[in-house]
Amino acid sequence: AQKITQTQPGMFVQEKEAVTLDCTYDTSDPSYGLFWYKQPSSGEMIFLIYQGSYDQQNATEGRYSLNFQKARKSANLVISASQLGDSAMYFCAMRELYNTDKLIFGTGTRLQVFP
Amino acid sequence: GAVVSQHPSWVICKSGTSVKIECRSLDFQATTMFWYRQFPKQSLMLMATSNEGSKATYEQGVEKDKFLINHASLTLSTLTVTSAHPEDSSFYICSARDRTASNQPQHFGDGTRLSIL
Repeated sequence: AQKITQTQPGMFVQEKEAVTLDCTYDTSDPSYGLFWYKQPSSGEMIFLIYQGSYDQQNATEGRYSLNFQKARKSANLVISASQLGDSAMYFCAMRELYNTDKLIFGTGTRLQVFP
Repeated sequence: GAVVSQHPSWVICKSGTSVKIECRSLDFQATTMFWYRQFPKQSLMLMATSNEGSKATYEQGVEKDKFLINHASLTLSTLTVTSAHPEDSSFYICSARDRTASNQPQHFGDGTRLSIL
C-alpha cells in the first residue's frame, strides 16, 4: 500500500532563510506523482509543486524546489528566502499515475516563519 | 483565479439536519471529483471518489448512506451529509483535475466548515 510520511510536525525558520520540509513515500507502482500543497489557516489547499517519478530533473517553481531522491524515496520541499506569508501547514501527497487520480496525503508540517 | 468552486464556506445547523455541499469545476469538465474530510490539526482523509453519471466510490469506513454523493453533470458534484450529528462537524473539501492537460494537479475548493449543534 502506498504511504506518505512527514516526520516534522512543526518547523521554525527565520525570515529570508531557506527551509527544508521532509517527505518520504512508499509505493510499489513505478509510475507516480508527488505533490506539495500549502494550507493557510483559512483552509484552502494551494498547489505548490509537482514531481513525476520519471522526471530527470528536480522540479522548481519560483522559491519552491523539490529535492527528489528516488532511490531513497524522498521528495523534500525546499523553500528559499522564507517570507512571513509562508507560515502555514504544508502537505506532501502522492498519486499513482496508472490508478485513479486519488491523492494520499502525509500528516503535514506546520511551518512558522519569524521576523 | 479559482478553478474549483465550493459552496457554502460555512454551515452551522441543528442536529438532525441534512446539509448539501456543492463542488464545481470552473472552465473544465471533471468526470471525477474527490471529497475529503479534515479534522482540526489533522491531514486530509479521502472520503469518496465522485464519478460523473455513475455511483460514487467510497473509501473503507465511510458510510454511503450518511454521505450521499451526486455527480450529475461534468462540472458539479454534491455531497449531502444526511441527518447530521455533532460528530459530523468537520472541514470538508473537494478537488478536481483537468485531465485534458498532462500533469495537471488536483485543484481544491476552498472547503466547507460544518458545525452541527
